[in-house]
Amino acid sequence: AQSVTQLDSHVSVSEGTPVLLRCNYSSSYSPSLFWYVQHPNKGLQLLLKYTSAATLVKGINGFEAEFKKSETSFHLTKPSAHMSDAAEYFCVVSFAGGTSYGKLTFGQGTILTVHP
Amino acid sequence: NAGVTQTPKFRILKIGQSMTLQCTQDMNHNYMYWYRQDPGMGLKLIYYSVGAGITDKGEVPNGYNVSRSTTEDFPLRLELAAPSQTSVYFCAIWDRVRNEQFFGPGTRLTVL
Repeated sequence: AQSVTQLDSHVSVSEGTPVLLRCNYSSSYSPSLFWYVQHPNKGLQLLLKYTSAATLVKGINGFEAEFKKSETSFHLTKPSAHMSDAAEYFCVVSFAGGTSYGKLTFGQGTILTVHP
Repeated sequence: NAGVTQTPKFRILKIGQSMTLQCTQDMNHNYMYWYRQDPGMGLKLIYYSVGAGITDKGEVPNGYNVSRSTTEDFPLRLELAAPSQTSVYFCAIWDRVRNEQFFGPGTRLTVL
């Protein structure tokens, strides 16, 4: 079984300050991990993914995440927030092999607010 | 959206009505999924399909049915709409080579 916990339902930062969105996962197998972003009334866009290559993953728009197996974490960071980063972010786990058939398990989401 | 289209974009149903949400993809992917997203929540898997003629239940299948007669189409059927089915529905495909899922734009359904 696999599960994802996003540790903060809301995060508020000022423009230009760092962003940290926290995610812990549980998976019986070597997981694939993803961060998706969803702007209000929009669809889902993939920010970045970890699939057992480099543990530090760089994504779009300056975001990056580090896979830490010992901590079962996959936190999302950005050095400097921009107003356009305000959105909801989802941490997602998947197992590509066996009978998992690529099914995704979503975290509950973290709403990021960016203040001027 | 990597060629995943959904219709309609919006729909309002009365309790007890039925409808079909359409999902079509033009990239010949075998794996397709239906998710629902309730306010303030992540997506939950309703049904999925690993190829034409093969479907299986996800986490929240009750009240829904699917079929997969072709690779391109994966419709989701609501037989007796209930207020609890008010949600946004997303169809997705899995690109196994890239190990990424691509989502359609969503259908916003309200049941009154």
